[in-house]
Amino acid sequence: NAGVTQTPKFRVLKTGQSMTLLCAQDMNHEYMYWYRQDPGMGLRLIHYSVGEGTTAKGEVPDGYNVSRLKKQNFLLGLESAAPSQTSVYFCASSNRGGNTEAFFGQGTRLTVV
Amino acid sequence: AQSVTQLGSHVSVSEGALVLLRCNYSSSVPPYLFWYVQYPNQGLQLLLKYTSAATLVKGINGFEAEFKKSETSFHLTKPSAHMSDAAEYFCAVSDNTGRRALTFGSGTRLQVQP
Repeated sequence: NAGVTQTPKFRVLKTGQSMTLLCAQDMNHEYMYWYRQDPGMGLRLIHYSVGEGTTAKGEVPDGYNVSRLKKQNFLLGLESAAPSQTSVYFCASSNRGGNTEAFFGQGTRLTVV
Repeated sequence: AQSVTQLGSHVSVSEGALVLLRCNYSSSVPPYLFWYVQYPNQGLQLLLKYTSAATLVKGINGFEAEFKKSETSFHLTKPSAHMSDAAEYFCAVSDNTGRRALTFGSGTRLQVQP
């Protein structure tokens, strides 16, 4: 059982380039999330989705876009990368219910130079 | 808005010593609380969760946490540290809105000295 899979695992971008991070889950979860992790700041929510075809902004959405065309996939896009977007990005998924755990992918380490 | 405070960004203990990682939360409604562990270059793995069934929660790898409403705390403990416990630990509170997102503390890096 793969759980949550993120691709790619590492990427170096030049300022102004674009890219898409892919998250795929095989647990039939309704909810999916994108977080970024920066030293000393924990994980912060970028965007989330409560079901196929729906997306919404989290706490730090600027410079990112998302899409959830299929229930199992949640894409995070950077249209014009900036050095401030250098971070580790984590995707997570969960079922309905506030007491259910979120399952995390292995992360994508992105460096923008 | 909910928030989580983890006291101590770095904690160092000797192998065999007690581990205590502190977490305080703020929430206007009864919270769902979680502890996650992150090993180097890996994703986050659930250690344990509080869901109001019991105030003392046992998790994996010998960890446990006690929910204290009067202190708004959910501290993580382990009686005897092992070298393999070295990792970063995150306390999180579940969003009580429809999105069910987690709000994380800033994390505590645990070092275990031989």
